[in-house]
Order: sequence, then C-alpha cells, then structure tokens
Amino acid sequence: QVQLQESGPGLVKPSETLSLTCAVSGYSITSGYYWGWIRQPPGKGLEWIASIYHSGTTYYNPSLKSRVTISVDTSKNQFSLKLSSVTAADTAVYSCARTHAGTYYFDYWGQGTLVTVSS
Amino acid sequence: SYVLTQPPSVSVAPGQAARITCGGYDIGSKSVHWYQQQPGQAPVLVVYDDSDRPSGIPERFSGSNSVNTATLTISRVEAGDEADYYCQVWDVGSDHPGVFGTGTKVTVL
Repeated sequence: QVQLQESGPGLVKPSETLSLTCAVSGYSITSGYYWGWIRQPPGKGLEWIASIYHSGTTYYNPSLKSRVTISVDTSKNQFSLKLSSVTAADTAVYSCARTHAGTYYFDYWGQGTLVTVSS
Repeated sequence: SYVLTQPPSVSVAPGQAARITCGGYDIGSKSVHWYQQQPGQAPVLVVYDDSDRPSGIPERFSGSNSVNTATLTISRVEAGDEADYYCQVWDVGSDHPGVFGTGTKVTVL
C-alpha cells in the first residue's frame, strides 16, 4: 500500500522559507514515477507546484519557479519542497502526490498539511 | 499557460446523472484526469487517461474527451458523490505542464 506523509512547520513568518518533506512508504521512490507537490489555498482550487523524477528531472510552475526548489532523497525514500520569500498568499494546504510517469496523473496523495504564513 | 474551465456548480437529484465539463483548447489531444475531493480530505483520482477508472472506483464514474471538452459523468448519483471535482492535464512541452481545472461543486438535491 503506497502511503505519503507530509511533514513540516504549520506556521511560517512572512519573507521566510517554507520547508516541507514527503515521506513515502510502500513504494520505492526510484521505481519509475514522478513525485509532486500541489497546494490549495483555503476555499480555493488546486494548484500544481512542482514535480521531480528520482534522476533529478524537474518541472516547476512558472509562477512559482523563482521561489521553489523540489528535491529527492533516495536514501530516505522522501522528497522535499522549499518555497522562499513567502507571503500570506502562500497560505494553503500543501499536499504531496505520486505522479504517473506516462500521462502524469496523481494517483496517491498525502493527507495534506496546512501551512499558514503569518507573523 | 493552458487553461481548463469548469462550471462552478452542478446540481443533480439522487439517481440521476451528473455531467461535469472541462473545457480547454484542443483538450481532445491530451489525456484528462479527474479527481473527487470531499470536504477536508485529499483529492481522490476517479478517472485517468480520459476514461479509465482506478481500482475501487465505481463504474458509475465515467469519462470522455473530444475536441475542446472533456466530460466526467456520474451515473445514478448518490448522496456520497457530493463533493468538488477537478479535471487535470499535463501540457507536454509547455513551461507550465501541470494544470488543474477551476473545480466544480456537485450538489445532490
């Protein structure tokens, strides 16, 4: 059973860097899927942030690209997200998901973690 | 970047069919995926690659895709189908490949 679990601070101050990790269990992160981050501001829709393959190939949402870094740690079977210079507009539920490498659908999701940007 | 447009809301009586559209330029040439999101929960994939269902998803959920509109159809709607639904594509070759639709709230009357 594939499971994903996000972890990281629930509160980040404006201008600081948001850092989240997604721990994957039940599946090897090197076994042929992409891994991605999606966020959802309160009361709003889903926004794709970034995706990564274990080899290091990455895709970024251009509206966030200058502030986002996605990385993978194969030794820990996890991947991470860093979003710098956050503002209140970055307040959202952040979810990690496994991404099919052919047509890029998100088949397994973490439960999501609310990150609030506030001083 | 590529835009996917969904109706904000769809209302349907129990037992009837709900049809949720997802409009995008030449979307018929792309693979469309659909997610159901219950309040406070993570999205669940209900249809992928236009019309395939993951294991465990009822046959009542079906999808189609042609020209500029993809459609998710929920047959014999049940109260438990009340949720938000999102379409999604991967715009290959674009600098913004991952795209979600605007979302549709399905209300069961």
